[in-house]
Amino acid sequence: EAGVTQFPSHSVIEKGQTVTLRCDPISGHDNLYWYRRVMGKEIKFLLHFVKESKQDESGMPNNRFLAERTGGTYSTLKVQPAELEDSGVYFCASSQALGAVSYEQYFGPGTRLTVT
Amino acid sequence: AQSVSQHNHHVILSEAASLELGCNYSYGGTVNLFWYVQYPGQHLQLLLKYFSGDPLVKGIKGFEAEFIKSKFSFNLRKPSVQWSDTAEYFCAVSRTSGTYKYIFGTGTRLKVLA
Repeated sequence: EAGVTQFPSHSVIEKGQTVTLRCDPISGHDNLYWYRRVMGKEIKFLLHFVKESKQDESGMPNNRFLAERTGGTYSTLKVQPAELEDSGVYFCASSQALGAVSYEQYFGPGTRLTVT
Repeated sequence: AQSVSQHNHHVILSEAASLELGCNYSYGGTVNLFWYVQYPGQHLQLLLKYFSGDPLVKGIKGFEAEFIKSKFSFNLRKPSVQWSDTAEYFCAVSRTSGTYKYIFGTGTRLKVLA
């Protein structure tokens, strides 16, 4: 079974530019999560999709961040325009969930974003 | 708001030493608890989880954790560490309803000296 994949693994962009991160969850996982770790800090939740619907986007920092999950498969996270404080590692995770039963999340390798 | 505290940010041990990493959370309701590990250059992997039942949970690679509800704690233990346990360890908590999003601790970097 293929794991969660993320692309690119690294991205270096200048302040003001746009970057799009992609996440492919494990096949069959309806739940997809985005997290971010800024250097030296904890991993923080950004948002959660159930299939193509945003279930919780309470962790999105501001409206420069736009997440989509068209068709309920892969997801993209766009940062436009990027600021210096957006630098960090962006993790994607996916999980099964059947009704009220929760399952553990499987994480991708992360995308390291550096904004200069 | 929910929060998770990992008290040790950096731990250095010699091989065969015993390990205990602390994790405390703040939330009054029912929670799911997790420990993840990130080995150098690799992605986060689940070590063990607690959903319900026996509060002493055994995971992979000889790790175990004990959920003490009265102390809001879920400490990770290993009786004898190996050099290959060098990694960063993360405690995470989620609610048992809603989005199941994780609240993470800040992580503990463990270095095991051969």
